[in-house]
Amino acid sequence: DADVTQTPRNRITKTGKRIMLECSQTKGHDRMYWYRQDPGLGLRLIYYSFDVKDINKGEISDGYSVSRQAQAKFSLSLESAIPNQTALYFCATSDLSSGRQQYFGPGTRLTVT
Amino acid sequence: ILNVEQSPQSLHVQEGDSTNFTCSFPSSNFYALHWYRWETAKSPEALFVMTLNGDEKKKGRISATLNTKEGYSYLYIKGSQPEDSATYLCAFIPGSNYQLIWGAGTKLIIKP
Repeated sequence: DADVTQTPRNRITKTGKRIMLECSQTKGHDRMYWYRQDPGLGLRLIYYSFDVKDINKGEISDGYSVSRQAQAKFSLSLESAIPNQTALYFCATSDLSSGRQQYFGPGTRLTVT
Repeated sequence: ILNVEQSPQSLHVQEGDSTNFTCSFPSSNFYALHWYRWETAKSPEALFVMTLNGDEKKKGRISATLNTKEGYSYLYIKGSQPEDSATYLCAFIPGSNYQLIWGAGTKLIIKP
């Protein structure tokens, strides 16, 4: 079984709809991250969480919100989706013992029409 | 603003040839430099975590070097094979907040 899972894997939604992307991990890591990837660009950090009570904005947090429901779960929400949020979204985890090496989920391809 | 630059953006290499590409990062406040391999339709996977100036890491035919004083790392692939085709990402971690700053990647295509 995968250590970091994301649901859904693919989603098509309409402008203005609320959508939630979910991430779960069985690695026991304290830190979790949400990234988006657009063609020709590197991974851009949306939000990150050091533990359940700690949530931090990343580089491109506008239009997104997150919830760390438990150490193992980190959800990303788009309150009112817009077309330029069409992208590939990755969840990742890390901890200090791995040198902050990131372990990625399989990604969610989101299309906003 | 901290920038991580990778060059070239893409690279076509004949099977069997060796190749290398570069990751440039700020030379101050260094904590770590990561290399990841990202195959199409898969997730990025870590290749190397490098923390010390002069570090050299090797995994099979792939190796990496690190120069923190001048702010660059090289990734080398010896005897390229079709399965090496992927995008190679580097990520710099400054010591201030331990967040990764990602390069845009080098897309490597191996021609049989």
